[in-house]
Amino acid sequence: EAGVTQSPTHLIKTRGQQATLRCSPISGHTSVYWYQQALGLGLQFLLWYDEGEERNRGNFPPRFSGRQFPNYSSELNVNALELEDSALYLCASSPGTSTTNEKLFFGSGTQLSVL
Amino acid sequence: QKEVEQDPGPLSVPEGAIVSLNCTYSNSAFQYFMWYRQYSRKGPELLMYTYSSGNKEDGRFTAQVDKSSKYISLFIRDSQPSDSATYLCAMRGGAAGNKLTFGGGTRVLVKP
Repeated sequence: EAGVTQSPTHLIKTRGQQATLRCSPISGHTSVYWYQQALGLGLQFLLWYDEGEERNRGNFPPRFSGRQFPNYSSELNVNALELEDSALYLCASSPGTSTTNEKLFFGSGTQLSVL
Repeated sequence: QKEVEQDPGPLSVPEGAIVSLNCTYSNSAFQYFMWYRQYSRKGPELLMYTYSSGNKEDGRFTAQVDKSSKYISLFIRDSQPSDSATYLCAMRGGAAGNKLTFGGGTRVLVKP
């Protein structure tokens, strides 16, 4: 069974540009989560989507946005990139809010470098 | 103060030793507790998942949760060089729903 897949693996942008990161959840999973892992800061929660709806949002500015498609894949968009946006962006999936035993499974991440 | 505290290490042990890791937390609403292992440049991998207080064992790994003290632990027996990684505790519950709150991670090095 395929795990969570993320693309691209690496992304290099310059300040002010926009970045688009993509995530495909495990087959059958309807929930997708995005986390930012910056050096020295640990994993910070960004966004949670379930059944195409945004369910929760972390303490990040509005230039961080995303969406979930009907096939449950997801996109994270970061506008007006800043140097401090350089980080590993991790996507995770879980079966969905209808279950009581939600376990998150992570992809390998997209390393975003802002120059 | 962070919601979940975890010593960053590094923790260096000889092969075969017991690795002891722990996290403390402040939010009494947390009910589900997890340990993830993360190798360099990879995503976190779920190791252990426990609900409420108590112990759980899985092979060489034992997870303990003490909700009264807001303290969780992970023990790795007979440690191997392949156990060298960063270990992250994570937890959720209450109003946070399915959102996980992570500790900062402890880097572990098992020397042959």
